[in-house]
Amino acid sequence: DGGITQSPKYLFRKEGQNVTLSCEQNLNHDAMYWYRQDPGQGLRLIYYSQIVNDFQKGDIAEGYSVSREKKESFPLTVTSAQKNPTAFYLCASSAGAGGNYGYTFGSGTRLTVV
Amino acid sequence: GDSVTQMEGPVTLSEEAFLTINCTYTATGYPSLFWYVQYPGEGLQLLLKATKADDKGSNKGFEATYRKETTSFHLEKGSVQVSDSAVYFCALPMNTGGFKTIFGAGTRLFVKA
Repeated sequence: DGGITQSPKYLFRKEGQNVTLSCEQNLNHDAMYWYRQDPGQGLRLIYYSQIVNDFQKGDIAEGYSVSREKKESFPLTVTSAQKNPTAFYLCASSAGAGGNYGYTFGSGTRLTVV
Repeated sequence: GDSVTQMEGPVTLSEEAFLTINCTYTATGYPSLFWYVQYPGEGLQLLLKATKADDKGSNKGFEATYRKETTSFHLEKGSVQVSDSAVYFCALPMNTGGFKTIFGAGTRLFVKA
């Protein structure tokens, strides 16, 4: 079955560390996204990529970085510059512009700073 | 600017009760509207959508009608089940090519047996 795989499901980061969250899709979707979810809030867009080798900042890109070297993969690095990284991170993909067609989401990575 | 407002939760219902979760929006143009559902510990799943005024989206017994005159897209279900317990998000694509979407804050639903 096609879908999006996020790993790991839980991740613990020490202060000052960079960590990378994995996102892989086998849906042949062109567009991929990273969202951050905090308790009681809606989703906030970190980065998105419309095609391979291209990506744009979302609303809260500071302290995060991404790459899109393959259509299937869109990893997110949470850098030490992100001061409050504890959150639930969701990766999504869409066939076209996801806002118009709808998104397919992964099951998320919960990141905790220890 | 564009915005989405959902009713605050949590909403607690008994099994077989009628559900309404309110969603209103402010937008330029005539965007599509979406409802997503998030079960505990999971990502979001697309529940239903409507692409133009007076359209009704439906799925798994849930329905929502795109009302342009009241700028609303309320989610309804005639008879909820315990398995419907989840968080529901109303979503509005921004008028910037569709790659950015505004999600409501989410409404948590608890259904008691």
